[in-house]
Amino acid sequence: IAGITQAPTSQILAAGRRMTLRCTQDMRHNAMYWYRQDLGLGLRLIHYSNTAGTTGKGEVPDGYSVSRANTDDFPLTLASAVPSQTSVYFCASSDSGSGRNTGELFFGEGSRLTVL
Amino acid sequence: AQSVTQLDSQVPVFEEAPVELRCNYSSSVSVYLFWYVQYPNQGLQLLLKYLSGSTLVKGINGFEAEFNKSQTSFHLRKPSVHISDTAEYFCAVSETSYDKVIFGPGTSLSVIP
Repeated sequence: IAGITQAPTSQILAAGRRMTLRCTQDMRHNAMYWYRQDLGLGLRLIHYSNTAGTTGKGEVPDGYSVSRANTDDFPLTLASAVPSQTSVYFCASSDSGSGRNTGELFFGEGSRLTVL
Repeated sequence: AQSVTQLDSQVPVFEEAPVELRCNYSSSVSVYLFWYVQYPNQGLQLLLKYLSGSTLVKGINGFEAEFNKSQTSFHLRKPSVHISDTAEYFCAVSETSYDKVIFGPGTSLSVIP
């Protein structure tokens, strides 16, 4: 089934550790995004990539980095995790090119991260 | 800068009653508007969207929304809710249909039997 796969689904991490959340899509969408979801704050954009090889900062980029080496993969790295990064992280994609744009975001199932 | 306000954080409603979830946005340019639904322990999925044309937009599961440019609103409505509509609903805005999408804080809809 086509879609977005995120891993891990859940992780408990000690503060100061490095962590990479993986995101892979098989829809050949050119744009990908990372959001964090926190109660009462909705979804906040961390980083995005409009096409392979380019990335940009969202609303809350500090403490996170991303890379987009190819169309399908968009990993999110926490170089040194802190408790305030405890959240549910969602990867999303959109097909924003080639005249097929619908404006719709397609989401993964989320990765629940707890930093102690 | 774009922003989205959802005035009601929680909305309880009895089964088969109508519901309206409110959404207001701020932007200095033309926008595209979306409503997403999130069922428990799942990702978000699109309910409906406004890109252009008719200001009344119909989506899945019997939901509809009306774009009001003068009031900068995009309220979501359903004439008769079901238990299965219990979920978190997010309003979202982007300045182009494939630019960064900004989400509101969400409204938790609880349908009471």
